[in-house]
Amino acid sequence: QVQLQESGPGLVRPSETLSLTCSVSGAPISSNFWSWIRQPPGEKLEWIGYARHNGNTNYNLSLKSRVTISTDTSKNQFSLKLNSVTAADTAVYYCARMVATIGLIFDYWGQGILVTVSP
Amino acid sequence: DIQMTQSPSSLSASIGDRVTITCRASQSINGYLNWFQHKPGKAPKLLIYAASSLQSGVPSRFSGSGSGTEFTLTISSLQPEDFANYYCQQSNSALGLTFGGGTKVEIK
Repeated sequence: QVQLQESGPGLVRPSETLSLTCSVSGAPISSNFWSWIRQPPGEKLEWIGYARHNGNTNYNLSLKSRVTISTDTSKNQFSLKLNSVTAADTAVYYCARMVATIGLIFDYWGQGILVTVSP
Repeated sequence: DIQMTQSPSSLSASIGDRVTITCRASQSINGYLNWFQHKPGKAPKLLIYAASSLQSGVPSRFSGSGSGTEFTLTISSLQPEDFANYYCQQSNSALGLTFGGGTKVEIK
């Protein structure tokens, strides 16, 4: 059973860096793609980006200048860093495994973590 | 980015009802369409991938169809555990994975 769990601060100050970690059990980080998705209050789900264990990454163009996603195979975790945050970055952040079979499929998700950007 | 439009945004239905949710893409997505179920506070759950393939472990009352730009998710006989939010997602372009706005299925 693949399980993902997000962790990190629930409150971030404007202009600072949002940092989250996703701990994975039941599947090795060395396979597949590892992704972050967010949902601001009352808005659509928004894909942030993904990373592979070999360092390959792909980011949403609207966030690319502020985002870094990386993997840590020794801890079987991956992380998200989003810098220069504003109130618009307030959202529930989800981590997910993505497999490339018929298209790109988010087959397992974490339950999400609410991050609020506020002074 | 490819825009995904879901309808309706919410619906009320009774146990046993047949429910259909539609997702339209702003351009052809070659069948790369996935459906998720999401209950508040829980991890979203993959139901259907590649428009019509049922994810392992998902009840057969869920089905997906469609091609080109129009897709549907059907629940053949609504069960109590099916009251949730449902989202479509396209993966035709790895450069921009996008989701529909969601459909909330409520008890009538």
